Amino acid sequence: EDQVTQSPEALRLQEGESSSLNCSYTVSGLRGLFWYRQDPGKGPEFLFTLYSAGEEKEKERLKATLTKKESFLHITAPKPEDSATYLCAVQDPGGSEKLVFGKGTKLTVNP
Amino acid sequence: DAGITQSPRYKITETGRQVTLMCHQTWSHSYMFWYRQDLGHGLRLIYYSAAADITDKGEVPDGYVVSRSKTENFPLTLESATRSQTSVYFCASSKPGRGNEKLFFGSGTQLSVL
Repeated sequence: EDQVTQSPEALRLQEGESSSLNCSYTVSGLRGLFWYRQDPGKGPEFLFTLYSAGEEKEKERLKATLTKKESFLHITAPKPEDSATYLCAVQDPGGSEKLVFGKGTKLTVNP
Repeated sequence: DAGITQSPRYKITETGRQVTLMCHQTWSHSYMFWYRQDLGHGLRLIYYSAAADITDKGEVPDGYVVSRSKTENFPLTLESATRSQTSVYFCASSKPGRGNEKLFFGSGTQLSVL
């Protein structure tokens, strides 16, 4: 059973059309949930860390939120440069520093 | 600030050959990781290391060997490459402790096994 499930797999938006990406997780005792952005041909780039339910983080047009079962990445008035694959990951519940990743959501923003 | 660098950027090899992918970081981060990324599977952990001379298996370690004699280097060796090891390989590093867990990734090595 996957510990991290992201939906949708792919999302197409028009410029300015706000939406949300979902990341649901099954680990108990969440130590940390992470959002990354990945552009084609590059390594993932860190966006946010969330530690507890109710926590929110913002960066430009992106806002990440966390509940006890899932996290959302809200994208407000997206621009074409926001097109990328967004990855969600949870910290290993066993105590190590390794991260378990979801399969990602590929976002395309059309002008 | 060089950060974390991987080499080579692209590699083509044949089945049965030994291949070593290099990873070097300049931050003195104690943790280093190797992930592979495949369509339909996302990022999967191969091996990780908490410090020099300390390594541990991840989700998909079979067919791979790692070493970490120096903090800054974490090479990944495919002892006898197979077609199923065709993938994009990412190295990452991080510092320990709450608030430092975020991983910094290299640009990746695209490996094709023919």
